[in-house]
Amino acid sequence: SAVISQKPSRDICQRGTSLTIQCQVDSQVTMMFWYRQQPGQSLTLIATANQGSEATYESGFVIDKFPISRPNLTFSTLTVSNMSPEDSSIYLCSGTTGYSPRDTQYFGPGTRLTVL
Amino acid sequence: GQSLEQPSEVTAVEGAIVQINCTYQTSGFYGLSWYQQHDGGAPTFLSYNGLDGLEETGRFSSFLSRSDSYGYLLLQELQMKDSASYFCAVVNNDMRFGAGTRLTVKP
Repeated sequence: SAVISQKPSRDICQRGTSLTIQCQVDSQVTMMFWYRQQPGQSLTLIATANQGSEATYESGFVIDKFPISRPNLTFSTLTVSNMSPEDSSIYLCSGTTGYSPRDTQYFGPGTRLTVL
Repeated sequence: GQSLEQPSEVTAVEGAIVQINCTYQTSGFYGLSWYQQHDGGAPTFLSYNGLDGLEETGRFSSFLSRSDSYGYLLLQELQMKDSASYFCAVVNNDMRFGAGTRLTVKP
């Protein structure tokens, strides 16, 4: 298993600014993912964070808006750039210790972002 | 395209049994996962079905029928702490979540 922490847990930001969310895992994970979730709604996959290479983004998400880093097997960051109120959401990272999406994903507690 | 359908809300009483259905349409499919999420908490893994049939883990069971593109999560002996949102997720090259079912357990 893996225990995932995220920082910050919540933030209130002004439009036009950027926020970097950190995701730390207590053990090495093979795959890491970033999701967005509106309160009470489903999780939407933003991207797969690849170690040492560019993240793989889902349709509707671009690197300029959501740059992602993954320097090693236990850490990743997601930046929400040039924020607007539409970016207000909960951002979650997850990781899996296997090599397949069918392996259990362990989720962080989320970062609740409010953009004014 | 891909779609998952599950009921938005279910209410049951303590000690009862509840079944949460999930139907899906997808071009690629490895299996179906179920996750539980309490309000303000992280989603946590409950079960994965890669083959047809029933998987049982304590009070929770999950079922898959590939031919019907259908699965369900069965919760038995409901407890108040089971009040949460339950998400089915299609596992292919990644994982896509349904909209979630909010389960409320009443005394």
